[in-house]
Amino acid sequence: QSVVTQPPSASGTPGQRVTISCSGRRSNIGSNLVFWYQHLPGTAPRLLISRSDQRPSGIPDRFSGSRSGTSASLTISGLRSDDEGDYYCASWDDSLSGVVFGGGTKLTVL
Amino acid sequence: EVQLVESGGGLVQPGGSLRLSCVGSEFTFRNYGMSWVRQAPGKGLEWVSYISSSGRPTYYADSVKGRFTMSRDNAKKSAYLQMNSLRADDTALYYCARVTSYGSGTIEFDYWGQGTPVTVS
Repeated sequence: QSVVTQPPSASGTPGQRVTISCSGRRSNIGSNLVFWYQHLPGTAPRLLISRSDQRPSGIPDRFSGSRSGTSASLTISGLRSDDEGDYYCASWDDSLSGVVFGGGTKLTVL
Repeated sequence: EVQLVESGGGLVQPGGSLRLSCVGSEFTFRNYGMSWVRQAPGKGLEWVSYISSSGRPTYYADSVKGRFTMSRDNAKKSAYLQMNSLRADDTALYYCARVTSYGSGTIEFDYWGQGTPVTVS
């Protein structure tokens, strides 16, 4: 059981907007910034959102992140078929002195 | 382009040891912390360990504490993961990741390698 919780699956049709939630605790998301990673089949994971709401260079503005209290969310607008894959949130946990990943959300583009 | 290349994975019996290596290129290796992250078959990502740019401090997930040791050699632009007392549940694809830190409690994995597989059986 992850200390950071994500829905196991999400889906949408091309062009739609999808939001993936990430729920944690005061010791992680409530105290530290959140990062989102995209893991597409057969590839290495990729940093998608930095410091809760910042897009690294090369990440399209279709991807956005936010954080409030002990929760965070990733929104993907203009959904595309090549967005299909797994999405993970992560944060430092002060109680564990380590990084905790959410369980991951498998995004399906219908 | 930043590159991270892992090696050293393989098949090992329970209770055995393995040493993973990660070589970085196209960036100033000594300026960055490094981490290992693993993914067991059919499971999600799990952070394993972190080492600062200087080699200390190091941090470990509870699941590997006391069994795994992370180290680095900045002259060789390499990070290592010594894995002892391996168990079946250590079976996973092990990724090396470059770490950018924005201060206490804020680290991101901004570049990842392709991973090296470890099977304990």
